[in-house]
Amino acid sequence: ELKVEQNPLFLSMQEGKNYTIYCNYSTTSDRLYWYRQDPGKSLESLFVLLSNGAVKQEGRLMASLDTKARLSTLHITAAVHDLSATYFCAVDFRDDKIIFGKGTRLHILP
Amino acid sequence: SAVISQKPSRDICQRGTSLTIQCQVDSQVTMMFWYRQQPGQSLTLIATANQGSEATYESGFVIDKFPISRPNLTFSTLTVSNMSPEDSSIYLCSVEARGTSWDNEQFFGPGTRLTVL
Repeated sequence: ELKVEQNPLFLSMQEGKNYTIYCNYSTTSDRLYWYRQDPGKSLESLFVLLSNGAVKQEGRLMASLDTKARLSTLHITAAVHDLSATYFCAVDFRDDKIIFGKGTRLHILP
Repeated sequence: SAVISQKPSRDICQRGTSLTIQCQVDSQVTMMFWYRQQPGQSLTLIATANQGSEATYESGFVIDKFPISRPNLTFSTLTVSNMSPEDSSIYLCSVEARGTSWDNEQFFGPGTRLTVL
């Protein structure tokens, strides 16, 4: 069965702190996506990770991929309020079937 | 990147009626997909819209309920048929374009917020 599991599902944190969101998936994958969704909005593409050991950074967000462990992480450094949103990972399981995780609702307290 | 528009952006419909959602992309794309996002939930893939042939539906979704058209490489429609309140969701169109400068990316339209009374 194709599964994508994210944790935590909810995260409330103080500004300035660091935290990591985890994304596990069930079987071999070609690529992994991270998206951001603000309330009432569509999805904004953050990162696409294509190979084992891939690491991408944009501002305070850094994503990595370990295909052997079937694990991706989204690390938030020195969080700011503007990063409050729901973050989804999505996995492409080689037949263009993209499965989304349940999402992590991130709330950063000023 | 691709610019994707959807019409309507939102609608309120009566039970038993049907609504057709349009998705227009500003460039030719290889793949077009339709997703559903129920309130407070993640995204679920409904189907892949194939140009010139029948759509490929995921488990739990059928053509009679969600007929899809894709007459060309920039346009697709999704119809939600014989609606019930359980169909209240956001419906999102998504595209990929393999072999272009934004290969490996999947972009999403703004979504159509559907409420069924």
